[in-house]
Amino acid sequence: DAKTTQPTSMDCAEGRAANLPCNHSTISGNEYVYWYRQIHSQGPQYIIHGLKNNETNEMASLIITEDRKSSTLILPHATLRDTAVYYCIVKDFNKFYFGSGTKLNVKP
Amino acid sequence: DTEVTQTPKHLVMGMTNKKSLKCEQHMGHRAMYWYKQKAKKPPELMFVYSYEKLSINESVPSRFSPECPNSSLLNLHLHALQPEDSALYLCASSQVGGRLGGHNEQFFGPGTRLTVL
Repeated sequence: DAKTTQPTSMDCAEGRAANLPCNHSTISGNEYVYWYRQIHSQGPQYIIHGLKNNETNEMASLIITEDRKSSTLILPHATLRDTAVYYCIVKDFNKFYFGSGTKLNVKP
Repeated sequence: DTEVTQTPKHLVMGMTNKKSLKCEQHMGHRAMYWYKQKAKKPPELMFVYSYEKLSINESVPSRFSPECPNSSLLNLHLHALQPEDSALYLCASSQVGGRLGGHNEQFFGPGTRLTVL
């Protein structure tokens, strides 16, 4: 059973911020939230992860609500190469529970 | 080296054939995974190996037989597959997660595109 819910697709203008939401209302206290993306059926690529606090790295920012029931991945300046399927994942021990993914279309 | 390699990239097989998919990593990871991904769907976990022992089998049919001969290698042996088994097969590796969870990012290979005729 999927532990995350994501919109099927989103559009974003090149150079603008892309905000991708994810609901994980049944997440438990020890479970991390991960974000991966997959381009053209290549292997999924790690973006960022978090537990409770907001996180930022060179690729993106992750905002997790205080109750941990939802999160938002932010790509601050989307480029055409960011067009991909973005997966929000809840990790339980060694198991990744993939959501259905959001197809992000970055448009010129 | 943060790469997971998979061979072959593409495989076409008949329903009576026996073939194997191979996966290799040299990151010192002791957890390795097989996923199956159908078109326009998320990856689905098939098997997890932890310290070279099978720890999770997600009720996968016996025509798929995993093997972990050492800490760097993971195989998936295929026999008597059906056309509906055609998919992208992904291998991943990570550090072993602790009982309380913890961060253990999975590194994915590029996948093997399997077509069963």
